[in-house]
Amino acid sequence: ETGVTQTPRHLVMGMTNKKSLKCEQHLGHNAMYWYKQSAKKPLELMFVYSLEERVENNSVPSRFSPECPNSSHLFLHLHTLQPEDSALYLCASSHSPSPGLPTEQYFGPGTRLTVT
Amino acid sequence: GESVGLHLPTLSVQEGDNSIINCAYSNSASDYFIWYKQESGKGPQFIIDIRSNMDKRQGQRVTVLLNKTVKHLSLQIAATQPGDSAVYFCAENIYQKVTFGTGTKLQVIP
Repeated sequence: ETGVTQTPRHLVMGMTNKKSLKCEQHLGHNAMYWYKQSAKKPLELMFVYSLEERVENNSVPSRFSPECPNSSHLFLHLHTLQPEDSALYLCASSHSPSPGLPTEQYFGPGTRLTVT
Repeated sequence: GESVGLHLPTLSVQEGDNSIINCAYSNSASDYFIWYKQESGKGPQFIIDIRSNMDKRQGQRVTVLLNKTVKHLSLQIAATQPGDSAVYFCAENIYQKVTFGTGTKLQVIP
C-alpha cells in the first residue's frame, strides 16, 4: 500500500455517461496529480494541484474536469468520453515541489477505464 | 524538448543474476531522476532517486548510476528475484516538472 487509494478500480462507461474517479491520499502531501497511462506510451500528466490550486493543465480536453476539494482528495469528472480515452488513470501525490527541492510522487493503483 | 527513453522494451534475466536497465535523457538541465517499478495491476512504486550532483546511489539490492556526460541513467538490481518482474520507468525532473519514460519490462526466468 502506498497511502494513495483510488476508486473505482475498474469502470466501463458509454460515451454519453457521466462518471467520476476518486483519489484519496493519507500521506500528508499537499500536491496531487492525475495521469493517463496508455499502452506503450509514457505516463501523460493531465492535471496538477498544489495546495488545492490547479497549477497545471496539460491541454486536456474539457470532457475531463478535475476537482480538488482539499489536500487529501482529488476527483476527475468524466463526461461525453471517446473510445480513445480508454486507459489507466493514475492519481499521485507528493509534497509540493519547490525549486531545488524536487520530490518523488506516490501513486495509487489506478482506475482502468473502458469507454464503449 | 525534453525526452526520456529506454533502450530496451523487454529484458529477460535469469533468477539470481544482476539486471541492468538503462535510460537516456536529453535535457542537461534535469536535476533529479527517479526510478519507478510498476507491477501488473498496480500503480508505479518509487524505488530509488538520485540528484544531479551525484553519480551513484545505492539502496537495498538496487543501485542507480548517473552519467551526465552522456545523459544516461541506469538501474542495477542485484540477485534478481521473481518478485522483481515488473515494468521499470525512469523519470526526470526539470523545473519541478516530471517526465516519464515508456518503461522496460523485466522478466525474471526461474
